[in-house]
Amino acid sequence: AQTVTQSQPEMSVQEAETVTLSCTYDTSESNYYLFWYKQPPSRQMILVIRQEAYKQQNATENRFSVNFQKAAKSFSLKISDSQLGDTAMYFCAFMKRQGGSEKLVFGKGTKLTVNP
Amino acid sequence: DTGVSQNPRHKITKRGQNVTFRCDPISEHNRLYWYRQTLGQGPEFLTYFQNEAQLEKSRLLSDRFSAERPKGSFSTLEIQRTEQGDSAMYLCASIQTSGAYGYTFGSGTRLTVV
Repeated sequence: AQTVTQSQPEMSVQEAETVTLSCTYDTSESNYYLFWYKQPPSRQMILVIRQEAYKQQNATENRFSVNFQKAAKSFSLKISDSQLGDTAMYFCAFMKRQGGSEKLVFGKGTKLTVNP
Repeated sequence: DTGVSQNPRHKITKRGQNVTFRCDPISEHNRLYWYRQTLGQGPEFLTYFQNEAQLEKSRLLSDRFSAERPKGSFSTLEIQRTEQGDSAMYLCASIQTSGAYGYTFGSGTRLTVV
């Protein structure tokens, strides 16, 4: 069974600064996807960024980038130029790549607060 | 389509009562998922449908829980004889072809059992 661990329950950052959220996972699979989802207060969860495990290049989406270390089973999220709207719960999630339900296995989340 | 819609947004019920939640996915999405999120935890998989077929159920889904997706459109999740431990956010999500490109989540139904 896969597990996802987010070791930082809460973090805070000043507006315009950079913050990194940590995520580690455990799996015996070789083909999988990793995701970061954002859940703003009282709003729906949305996809921030995704990484295919067979790709060595780290994914980037505007101010969001990941540091994917497959051997270490680490998948951290870096948010640059933090904005007040980045305040949310952030969940790291794992999905097996081939066949089956494509269900997500989530970590417990990191609550990020961006301060003005 | 305006996304995945879930109703009601909030539900307060007395222990022992039955409750039913509804999820309307994006119309062209053929897979629909239910997750449960308790306080301080990430969402946990409950079950999913491919069109109208329920293909997998988590062991979290006790026999008090039942889910349906008639005609492969909307889905309902019913909890019978609710318990306080059922208090949680119930999330619905849908995908068109592959979850590899990300799910579209609804806003959830928050259930409080008193």
